[in-house]
Amino acid sequence: EVQLVESGGGLVQGGGSLRLSCAASGFIFNNFWMTWVRQVPGRGLEWVANIKYDGSEKYYVDSVKGRFTISRDNAKNSLYLQMNSLRADDSGVYFCASGGHCDFWGQGTLVTVSS
Amino acid sequence: DIQMTQSPSAMSASVGDRVTITCRASQGISSSLGWFQQKPGKGPKRLIYAASTLQPGVPSRFSGNGSGTEFTLTISSLQPEDFATYYCLQHIIYPYTFGQGTKLEIK
Repeated sequence: EVQLVESGGGLVQGGGSLRLSCAASGFIFNNFWMTWVRQVPGRGLEWVANIKYDGSEKYYVDSVKGRFTISRDNAKNSLYLQMNSLRADDSGVYFCASGGHCDFWGQGTLVTVSS
Repeated sequence: DIQMTQSPSAMSASVGDRVTITCRASQGISSSLGWFQQKPGKGPKRLIYAASTLQPGVPSRFSGNGSGTEFTLTISSLQPEDFATYYCLQHIIYPYTFGQGTKLEIK
């Protein structure tokens, strides 16, 4: 059974940094692209970034380019999102999803950026 | 960016009803579209991929159709557990983009 468990969320001041993690199990992690998606509570979903199975390709939504970095450690079956220069509009629940097309999802971790 | 427009944004229906949700893309996306269901406090669950292929384990009352710019998700006979919010996602051109969601409520 595929399991994705996000962690690392919390309350941070504007301009600060957070690093989110996603622990994956139940599938061959290093065979799959991985994705981060976020959601403002009560609002819709926003695709944030994805990364190829070997880390050689990464793509981002424009609003996070230059501030967020997606990475992975295939030896640890883990996905990461380093978030710098955080803004209030980065607040929301961050989900990791397996596959480039969001096959399976975790439960999310809440990020709150205070202005 | 490709804009994905879902309609309706909200609807109410009864158990047993047939329901159709539409997603329109601002440019052609071939069949590079998925449909997702989300319940409160949970991560989304993919129902359909490649526009019309049912995710394994998803009940057959869910079906997807379309290609190019217009897509539909149909639930043939609503069950109580189907009341949720539904999203489409295009995954052919970066940045990938979701529709704004359709909230399906009990009438």
